[in-house]
Amino acid sequence: AQSVTQLDSQVPVFEEAPVELRCNYSSSVSVYLFWYVQYPNQGLQLLLKYLSGSTLVKGINGFEAEFNKSQTSFHLRKPSVHISDTAEYFCAVSEDRAAGNKLTFGGGTRVLVKP
Amino acid sequence: DAGVTQSPTHLIKTRGQQVTLRCSPKSGHDTVSWYQQALGQGPQFIFQYYEEEERQRGNFPDRFSGHQFPNYSSELNVNALLLGDSALYLCASSFNRGSNTIYFGEGSWLTVV
Repeated sequence: AQSVTQLDSQVPVFEEAPVELRCNYSSSVSVYLFWYVQYPNQGLQLLLKYLSGSTLVKGINGFEAEFNKSQTSFHLRKPSVHISDTAEYFCAVSEDRAAGNKLTFGGGTRVLVKP
Repeated sequence: DAGVTQSPTHLIKTRGQQVTLRCSPKSGHDTVSWYQQALGQGPQFIFQYYEEEERQRGNFPDRFSGHQFPNYSSELNVNALLLGDSALYLCASSFNRGSNTIYFGEGSWLTVV
């Protein structure tokens, strides 16, 4: 069975500083990896996804993530955060390429951007 | 082009009652999945519907059931509500063929008292 661990439950960061959110997964097969953002009282929005190819994936809003198969990690980074990046971020894994298949989520990392 | 729409937005039910939540997928999508997100936790997969049939199911009891209609919209039904069923219920839609993005709705907040 697949599982996802987000190592930090909360990450405070100052505006314009860089941020890294850590995600590790476990699976017995090849996986496909996703990062979603959830703003207060809203649904989930896809930031980026890794299906195959280049291990460095660029997403929306200046975010990027790197897939590391040997370390089973998919850490999310942004070089300079804005106040508007305050939100909860979820890492998710799927064992099937088809977008409609089951996602397993981590517990989330709450990012609080301070002025 | 409307995205994934869910109704109702919020609702309060009493223990033992039954609830029905509704979802309309994004235009062109034929697959609907439901997730439960308890407060402070990540979403958990309940089940997925495709071609009006349940295709995958997560670790949820039979009190949770669903339906998909010919127009691809879907319902989630929960019977014999427990306090622990209080959560945000998220609907996600996608297109079965290919690796398109999974779109999520805004969710339905269910409080069981």
